[in-house]
Amino acid sequence: NAGVTQTPKFQVLKTGQSMTLQCAQDMNHNSMYWYRQDPGMGLRLIYYSASEGTTDKGEVPNGYNVSRLNKREFSLRLESAAPSQTSVYFCASNSEGFNSPLHFGNGTRLTVT
Amino acid sequence: SQKIEQNSEALNIQEGKTATLTCNYTNYSPAYLQWYRQDPGRGPVFLLLIRENEKEKRKERLKVTFDTTLKQSLFHITASQPADSATYLCAPYNFNKFYFGSGTKLNVKP
Repeated sequence: NAGVTQTPKFQVLKTGQSMTLQCAQDMNHNSMYWYRQDPGMGLRLIYYSASEGTTDKGEVPNGYNVSRLNKREFSLRLESAAPSQTSVYFCASNSEGFNSPLHFGNGTRLTVT
Repeated sequence: SQKIEQNSEALNIQEGKTATLTCNYTNYSPAYLQWYRQDPGRGPVFLLLIRENEKEKRKERLKVTFDTTLKQSLFHITASQPADSATYLCAPYNFNKFYFGSGTKLNVKP
C-alpha cells in the first residue's frame, strides 16, 4: 500500500522557471492538501481540495496554482519560480473532516536559485 | 490571525524519563487537536486526536491533554526510548483546516 506518493523528491530551478509537483494517493480519500515547510515556520497550507472538482486557497497561495485531476491526483504548479519558494513541499490526504488524520507523502525538496 | 507556539528549542531527556511537550495557541478556539511525529526527511505521521470535551487521551505510552481555558495542549511520552527521538507537531483544527505548529525536537539519550 503506497499511501501518498510525491514526485519528484528533489528539484533545482532557476528563477522564472516553471514546474509541476505531482501527488497521488491510493487510499480513496476525498480531501487532498499541499503544505510547505520552512525552518522555524512549521507547515503552512498552500491549497486544498475538499473533494474532486473543488479547490480552495490556504494560508499562502500566492505564486501557486493547483489542479485536482481526479480523486487520486492533486498537482501543484509554480508558474514562475522565485527564491522565496525554496522549501520542502508536502502533499497530504484524508477522508474528510476533523477526526480523519492526515496522511503525508515524504515531500519534494525544491531549491530556486 | 491564529498563532500556534511550540518550544523551538530541542528537548533533551534521558531514556526512561517522561517527555512533556507543549503546544499553545492564540486567537482562536479549535474544537479538535491532533499530534504528529516527523522524522528527518519524512512526512509527518499521525499519533493522536483529542476533542475539546476530552481533557485527556491515551494511547500506549502516549498521553495528550487539552485545556481550552489555558489554550494549551500537553503531549507526554512515558518511559521514553531513543527510538522516540523525532520532531513532534501539534495541529489544532479550525474552519475545516489543520494549522500546524513548527514542532519541538525531542532527543532521548540512552
